[in-house]
Amino acid sequence: DGGITQSPKYLFRKEGQNVTLSCEQNLNHDAMYWYRQDPGQGLRLIYYSQIVNDFQKGDIAEGYSVSREKKESFPLTVTSAQKNPTAFYLCASSRGLAGLITYDEQFFGPGTRLTVL
Amino acid sequence: KNEVEQSPQNLTAQEGEFITINCSYSVGISALHWLQQHPGGGIVSLFMLSSGKKKHGRLIATINIQEKHSSLHITASHPRDSAVYICAVNFSRVNYGGSQGNLIFGKGTKLSVKP
Repeated sequence: DGGITQSPKYLFRKEGQNVTLSCEQNLNHDAMYWYRQDPGQGLRLIYYSQIVNDFQKGDIAEGYSVSREKKESFPLTVTSAQKNPTAFYLCASSRGLAGLITYDEQFFGPGTRLTVL
Repeated sequence: KNEVEQSPQNLTAQEGEFITINCSYSVGISALHWLQQHPGGGIVSLFMLSSGKKKHGRLIATINIQEKHSSLHITASHPRDSAVYICAVNFSRVNYGGSQGNLIFGKGTKLSVKP
């Protein structure tokens, strides 16, 4: 089955530790996204990548880092510089924009709930 | 500021009721999306539309580009429809400095349908 997987589902970390969240897709999508969701707020974009080996900062990139070495994978590292990392993190992918296409459907993973102790 | 507003924030309905969730946005868009998030957290895309109306089963989505407004309707609601419904838009190039593929999200409407 095609889809997006995120692991782990729940993650606990101590303050001051870096932690990496996994996101893998087998949809052959070019574009991938990381979002953060907090209670009572809409999803906010952390980083996005439109093609392998390239990525861009979203609205709340501070304290996070990503890599896109393979088309299928877009891991997110939450660093100790992120002041309030406890949140629900969602990864998504889409075919990517090409030519005159200005929008496309995003497919979401199941999410990772990160709690900092 | 490019914004997406949803109403109501919370909605409780009895099984069988007709439900409407509204979404308004501030500037021109290229597309609007309706998403559904279940209690476990996973999100699925329900509709993607740039004009008119779309229907899938008991769900209907409409958009009025001139009024910058969209509605999601659920007919004959059922407890399994209980979820958070999220509106998101792709702002058009002149209104958004990032990639046009990026989505801007509303805060969601939490729907609870009682049996």
